[in-house]
Amino acid sequence: DIQMTQSPSSLSASVGDRVTITCRASQGISNYLAWYQQKPGKVPNLLIYTASTLQSGVPSRFSGSGSGTDFALTISSLQPEDVATYYCQKYNSAPLTFGGGTKVEIK
Amino acid sequence: EVQLVESGGGLVQPGRSLRLSCAASGFSFDDYAMHWVRQGPGKGLEWVSGINWNSGSIDYADSVKGRFTISRDNAKNSLNLQMNSLRPEDTALYYCAKDRSSSWTHGHGMDVWGQGTTVTVSS
Repeated sequence: DIQMTQSPSSLSASVGDRVTITCRASQGISNYLAWYQQKPGKVPNLLIYTASTLQSGVPSRFSGSGSGTDFALTISSLQPEDVATYYCQKYNSAPLTFGGGTKVEIK
Repeated sequence: EVQLVESGGGLVQPGRSLRLSCAASGFSFDDYAMHWVRQGPGKGLEWVSGINWNSGSIDYADSVKGRFTISRDNAKNSLNLQMNSLRPEDTALYYCAKDRSSSWTHGHGMDVWGQGTTVTVSS
């Protein structure tokens, strides 16, 4: 099975900082990658699909990039409401594995 | 309003069975693939199973294969998960999630999630 490895597992940044989370697949998955945000105590929320397409209603400070095995989620200017755990997920074939998550906090 | 509401969770002894249901509303249920995703206490997300729009394609995580069965009733706008031979490691919050596509393989992510139903497996 293809493994999805996220880094870092956690980070602390200041409001307004540019934040980048990476996700690496153990084999190529083309652009079949999604990113989710899960705020504390809440349900996961789809941010990005096909690696770089912003889901409707998601703020434009979020962006995704990458293809093949290496992907990134970038928050261009971190806001207090972005405190959450972020997950990548591959969906080219079963199992639809999630990454281990990256917890983002405000410094 | 697009909505998914899970039910059927509870406390169950190891080795026993439980059936989860998910009621969908506010969208054309039979146009979309559906999934079950779980999250253990303090843990990350784990995809459990997916089913395409017409039940023609189904698959499972290795951790539940042979024990869990996903099904859907498009006439009733419902998704189900039959869980047999439950283990303590199946303890989790189980989410029902809608895919953006009719097929769960090569789909486009899960854009609607229910609030989840809690399953606790313990003696």
